[in-house]
Amino acid sequence: DAGVIQSPRHEVTEMGQEVTLRCKPISGHDYLFWYRQTMMRGLELLIYFNNNVPIDDSGMPEDRFSAKMPNASFSTLKIQPSEPRDSAVYFCASSQGYSGNTIYFGEGSWLTVV
Amino acid sequence: DQQVKQNSPSLSVQEGRISILNCDYTNSMFDYFLWYKKYPAEGPTFLISISSIKDKNEDGRFTVFLNKSAKHLSLHIVPSQPGDSAVYFCAAHQAGTALIFGKGTTLSVSS
Repeated sequence: DAGVIQSPRHEVTEMGQEVTLRCKPISGHDYLFWYRQTMMRGLELLIYFNNNVPIDDSGMPEDRFSAKMPNASFSTLKIQPSEPRDSAVYFCASSQGYSGNTIYFGEGSWLTVV
Repeated sequence: DQQVKQNSPSLSVQEGRISILNCDYTNSMFDYFLWYKKYPAEGPTFLISISSIKDKNEDGRFTVFLNKSAKHLSLHIVPSQPGDSAVYFCAAHQAGTALIFGKGTTLSVSS
């Protein structure tokens, strides 16, 4: 059974470029979460969706960040323009219903902005 | 404003001894607490949880204790094994809201 699939696993980009991170949640899961991990702030929630609808985007740091979920099997997190301080590991996670122990994380997308 | 705090960035323990990882929280509305474990280059995976109506939950070598009056929880690993070396994240939420994570504690278990 496939888990949460994220792409790309690694991305190095120049400052000012657009970055798009992709996520395929586990089939049948109705919640999707985007988290960001940095040394300074640990794991931060950026945004989450329920049934493809954004529920809480208060963690999105700036207008440069946007997320979409056009259907139940796909979500994107876009950064435009990217800055060096956006360098982090971005995790997508999904769950069936919402109880913490049922959240499944992908392996993460490592973003480096130079 | 950090609602979930793990004040020890790292912990080193010898194999066979007890590992105690601590976590504090500020939001008294949290009703569910969890520990996640993360190995390098992998996503976090669920380890153990406890609801606010309990003060202890055990699963094999792992026990989580909750002290609501102190807004404190801890994860005990007994006995510690080298394979337990990982980053441990404490997390909490109240019903209907997303998980809030701490910054994590890196546990190193030496043989």
